[in-house]
Amino acid sequence: DGGITQSPKYLFRKEGQNVTLSCEQNLNHDAMYWYRQDPGQGLRLIYYSQIVNDFQKGDIAEGYSVSREKKESFPLTVTSAQKNPTAFYLCASSMSVAEGEQFFGPGTRLTVL
Amino acid sequence: AQKVTQAQTEISVVEKEDVTLDCVYETRDTTYYLFWYKQPPSGELVFLIRRNSFDEQNEISGRYSWNFQKSTSSFNFTITASQVVDSAVYFCALILNYQLIWGAGTKLIIKP
Repeated sequence: DGGITQSPKYLFRKEGQNVTLSCEQNLNHDAMYWYRQDPGQGLRLIYYSQIVNDFQKGDIAEGYSVSREKKESFPLTVTSAQKNPTAFYLCASSMSVAEGEQFFGPGTRLTVL
Repeated sequence: AQKVTQAQTEISVVEKEDVTLDCVYETRDTTYYLFWYKQPPSGELVFLIRRNSFDEQNEISGRYSWNFQKSTSSFNFTITASQVVDSAVYFCALILNYQLIWGAGTKLIIKP
């Protein structure tokens, strides 16, 4: 089955630690995205990647970093510089960035203690 | 400013009632796409529909229908004969400069 996987579903970390969230897709999509969602809020774009080895900052990139070494994978690192990292993180992919139909993973709920 | 507004934060109806979720957008572009996504309690977003700016025909898919009106910059979503399983947060979005601009979402509660 084609789709997007994110792991783990729930993640707990101590304040001051970096943490990496995994996102893998087998849809052969060129574009991938990371969003943050806070309780009762909409989605905010953190980073997106149009193609392997390329990525651009979204609206709230500060305190986050990404890499795109493989087409299938787009991991997100939440660094200690991110002031309020506790949130729900969603990864998505699409055929291209011009193709707005994005497919989403199940999300990772990160809690920083 | 280019943005998407979903003025209804939360709507609560009794099962089998019809319900309409409003979406108003702003853009200077003449070519754009509009979307609706559903986010059930599990959290994963589910794509519902994409509409391009040149196609103003209304669309119906089972109990779901969409009314796109360019003159009023609106793209409203109606659920007919609502069911408890329709309970979710619904997001309207606009693609602009290769990014999706998201509305804040409308939480829909369907009571049995």
